[in-house]
Amino acid sequence: AAGVIQSPRHLIKEKRETATLKCYPIPRHDTVYWYQQGPGQDPQFLISFYEKMQSDKGSIPDRFSAQQFSDYHSELNMSSLELGDSALYFCASSLGRGAYNEQFFGPGTRLTVL
Amino acid sequence: AQTVTQSQPEMSVQEAETVTLSCTYDTSENNYYLFWYKQPPSRQMILVIRQEAYKQQNATENRFSVNFQKAAKSFSLKISDSQLGDTAMYFCAFMKQNTGFQKLVFGTGTRLLVSP
Repeated sequence: AAGVIQSPRHLIKEKRETATLKCYPIPRHDTVYWYQQGPGQDPQFLISFYEKMQSDKGSIPDRFSAQQFSDYHSELNMSSLELGDSALYFCASSLGRGAYNEQFFGPGTRLTVL
Repeated sequence: AQTVTQSQPEMSVQEAETVTLSCTYDTSENNYYLFWYKQPPSRQMILVIRQEAYKQQNATENRFSVNFQKAAKSFSLKISDSQLGDTAMYFCAFMKQNTGFQKLVFGTGTRLLVSP
């Protein structure tokens, strides 16, 4: 079965650079979630989209922005990168909104900021 | 705001034995879902089991079962007949059941090591 695809899987950037992470949800899934997991920490919710509209926002820095496109893929744009942005970034997708709709996670993008 | 607490940073169990991972949570919501996710060394997040708060019956999935105590706000995971492949970080998570778009609130995780 098709899973959530994230690209790139690994990314190394310098401080103050920009990074773009991409997420391709499971076909027919219309809801996308982004989570950030710092080293040794639990995942923290960043932002979510439903039908290309932002639906919920968590602890996402103002330096970050995201959007969902017409084909339901999503991109997380990160500017003025800081050392503390080094983390594993998960994308998850679900069919429809609501707690009863299981979120399927992608393999994550590991971002390292030097 | 909801909080999820996992008081056991690490646990060890031998193959074929049973282990219980603890989780407590704090919320003022009456309707919600609780989850256990497994994160093996590959770092992939995998749903293990889910419990709806309105259901009194504890959820089970093969070797995995939960003990849900709503009044005590406790949600423990029992793994029976532990296997080497169960070695992973286990996260307890909470989600409100209100309509809309639901984010998961995770605990800090319990690292489980299954040894031969």
